[in-house]
Amino acid sequence: ILNVEQSPQSLHVQEGDSTNFTCSFPSSNFYALHWYRWETAKSPEALFVMTLNGDEKKKGRISATLNTKEGYSYLYIKGSQPEDSATYLCAASQGAQKLVFGQGTRLTINP
Amino acid sequence: DSGVTQTPKHLITATGQRVTLRCSPRSGDLSVYWYQQSLDQGLQFLIQYYNGEERAKGNILERFSAQQFPDLHSELNLSSLELGDSALYFCASSVAAGVTGELFFGEGSRLTVL
Repeated sequence: ILNVEQSPQSLHVQEGDSTNFTCSFPSSNFYALHWYRWETAKSPEALFVMTLNGDEKKKGRISATLNTKEGYSYLYIKGSQPEDSATYLCAASQGAQKLVFGQGTRLTINP
Repeated sequence: DSGVTQTPKHLITATGQRVTLRCSPRSGDLSVYWYQQSLDQGLQFLIQYYNGEERAKGNILERFSAQQFPDLHSELNLSSLELGDSALYFCASSVAAGVTGELFFGEGSRLTVL
């Protein structure tokens, strides 16, 4: 059974600070890793999809890295803003099917 | 707006009843995924269809069934409902069958079973 773990479960950060959180997944038979941003009362929106070991992706102040050999991905937010407050979900798959989501990291930016 | 449409947005029903949730994927997307989010749980994968065929199955109960029609819309049927089936049900779509493309989520259907 594919188990995707995210840490921490929640995080409070001061506006302007940078932060990062982790997604862990089994490294065997890895296929893809997704990051989604989920704002309250909205639906999850894709940030990144990564498939190759060493992949690094960036979108504005948000970036992500992938280590498939050790089974983890980091999401970084630089210079946090109030609009970054959301739950960040990662999802991983073994083989080409069944994208399994972690529980998410709930990020709150304090002004 | 993701382009994925789910109806109804809210549904309240009683135990033992049956409901149908509907999903229209983004134009051009052939894959439809169904996820369940219960209280304090993450998104639980239920089932995926690609171009009308079941492609992958997750923790979907036998009381639940789904299908994807020729026009690519999908329906999730939930029967003999129990209190524990109360959840937010998401549909998501993607272009391809595999998991290397991003998913586009609908706004969800919130089911309350009383």
